[in-house]
Amino acid sequence: QSVLTQPPSVSGAPGQRVTISCTGSRSNIGAGYDVHWYQQLPGTAPKVLIYDNTNRPSGVPERFSGSKSGTSASLAITGLQAEDEADYYCQTYDSGLSGGVFGGGTKLTVL
Amino acid sequence: EVQLVESGGGLAKPGRSLRLSCTASGFTFEDYAMHWVRQAPGKGLEWVSGLSWSSSTMDYADSVKGRFTISRDDAKKSLYLQMNSLRAEDTAFYYCAKGSGTYYKHGVFDFWGQGTLVTVSS
Repeated sequence: QSVLTQPPSVSGAPGQRVTISCTGSRSNIGAGYDVHWYQQLPGTAPKVLIYDNTNRPSGVPERFSGSKSGTSASLAITGLQAEDEADYYCQTYDSGLSGGVFGGGTKLTVL
Repeated sequence: EVQLVESGGGLAKPGRSLRLSCTASGFTFEDYAMHWVRQAPGKGLEWVSGLSWSSSTMDYADSVKGRFTISRDDAKKSLYLQMNSLRAEDTAFYYCAKGSGTYYKHGVFDFWGQGTLVTVSS
């Protein structure tokens, strides 16, 4: 059971928009800690997609965006492409656990 | 270019020890927090341990507390994870990750190594 809750899977057709939610609590997201999102393609290490809730590293397409409100955060992907098929993880810090925490991961399928 | 290269993984029997290493290049190693993150085969990511710059602060996931020890050698630009009393549930790919800040509590894991596989089995 992950501290951060994500849907196990989401899907969408090419060109569509999907969102992935990340629900936490008052000891992590709700405490004001920044949320980060990672993309993990099959057989590779995770890479940063969104950092500090809303920021994109250079090289990440504008199709990816992040938001945060209260004890939750969301990742939105617009204009879905086949290459977006991957696992996505949210991550933050939890003051109760005194450590980093990840969501359980969401598998995105492009139909 | 930032590079992180893990080594030291392999097969270990339950109760035995392994020491993982991560060699860094392409950035000023001593200025940044570093982390270990693991992923059991087919499962999600789990933060294992984080270490701030100058080894000032560190912490561990409850699942490894008291068994694993994180350390760094800034002169060698290396991060280590000493894993004792290994259990079958420690079987995973272990990734070394660079923090974007100086303290492990803050910042994103902005660069990752390719991981090293640890298998605990009799």
